[in-house]
Amino acid sequence: EIVLTQSPGTLSLSPGERATLSCRASPPVSARFLAWYQQKPGQAPRLLIYGATNRATGIPDRFSGSGSGTDFTLTISRLEPDDFAVYYCQQYGTSPVTFGQGTKLETK
Amino acid sequence: EAQMVESGGGLVKPGGSLRLSCVASGFVLSSYSLNWVRQAPGKGLEWVASISSSSRYISYADSLEGRFIISRDNAKRSLFLQMNSLRAEDTAVYYCARGVSGTGGDHFDSWGQGTLVTVSS
Repeated sequence: EIVLTQSPGTLSLSPGERATLSCRASPPVSARFLAWYQQKPGQAPRLLIYGATNRATGIPDRFSGSGSGTDFTLTISRLEPDDFAVYYCQQYGTSPVTFGQGTKLETK
Repeated sequence: EAQMVESGGGLVKPGGSLRLSCVASGFVLSSYSLNWVRQAPGKGLEWVASISSSSRYISYADSLEGRFIISRDNAKRSLFLQMNSLRAEDTAVYYCARGVSGTGGDHFDSWGQGTLVTVSS
């Protein structure tokens, strides 16, 4: 099973700042099959990024994904108030699919 | 727009059974795999089970130890999860999710709102 470790556990930033969230895989993820999700309290997760770098339908371009193998990054270029939430990475290159433990992005 | 609506959650005693349902709309159901993903209170996401578009391929998380059964009825646009021998650690919100395939499983591009299952005496 591939273990995904997200860091930091909590990230405190202000609107307008840049957020960088990390997801480290062990062993490596196959062929960039990595996705990112956003989850707000009481809501279902929402797909942001798939294939490590592809934005899902309707996702603004301030969200971007990068990385391959063992190290992946979700970047939010300019935080808006609606972006403060929990973010999860997920790999789907090797069975079983697994999720990271999440990064909470909170307002500073 | 794809929509998925779960139902069937509730309070059940340890050792009991429950059947979850999910009705999908807004897309061609028979073109997609479907999944159940759960989230224990205050915890992260855990994939539970997956079923291919034709029901030919089915897979489960090892942690379930054979207690759950996933099925679908494309004619009724529905996904099901039969949950048996329930334990306290099965307490969670259960989401149905539409899958888009990778080599080892799916990523999930549409989710229901979830249904809460509580296992307690």
